[in-house]
Amino acid sequence: AQSVAQPEDQVNVAEGNPLTVKCTYSVSGNPYLFWYVQYPNRGLQFLLKYITGDNLVKGSYGFEAEFNKSQTSFHLKKPSALVSDSALYFCAVNNYGQNFVFGPGTRLSVLP
Amino acid sequence: DTEVTQTPKHLVMGMTNKKSLKCEQHMGHRAMYWYKQKAKKPPELMFVYSYEKLSINESVPSRFSPECPNSSLLNLHLHALQPEDSALYLCASSQQGLAGDEQFFGPGTRLTVL
Repeated sequence: AQSVAQPEDQVNVAEGNPLTVKCTYSVSGNPYLFWYVQYPNRGLQFLLKYITGDNLVKGSYGFEAEFNKSQTSFHLKKPSALVSDSALYFCAVNNYGQNFVFGPGTRLSVLP
Repeated sequence: DTEVTQTPKHLVMGMTNKKSLKCEQHMGHRAMYWYKQKAKKPPELMFVYSYEKLSINESVPSRFSPECPNSSLLNLHLHALQPEDSALYLCASSQQGLAGDEQFFGPGTRLTVL
């Protein structure tokens, strides 16, 4: 079985500071990892994914994520946070023959 | 066109009503999904259609009935729902339904069951 953990319900960061939203996963075999963002009363927007190759993945809106196989982590990062980044962030894992499993979500608040 | 559209945006229905949710995509994707999302929770997978065939039904009660009339359309027929079925219903699509394919989500239908 595959699973995803996001250890922080809430992350607060000041505008202009770097942000990190954490994700750890458990899957047998090679993982496919994804980050999505959800604004209030909206659907999920795809940010980035890791399939294979370079451990640092760059995505939309200046976000990037680092895949760490030994720590089974896929943390989302951004060098300089914007107030407009405030939203609910979901990490998800998929594996061959399975379907997406989403983490519980992390609410990011960027304070002006 | 990189959009998944869903109608209606909001739906209020009684427990004896029959209604349908609609989803459409014109990206040529061959896999389509229905998810249910409760407030502040992650989406929960309900159904997967792959090449217009139902491939996954995550033990969803029979009061939810999916239909895929063609590769661009996905419907969810609702009948005799319960108040606990109130939620945001999300449709998504992906290129071929492979593990590495990202899913594109619609804005959702906010369903309230009275």
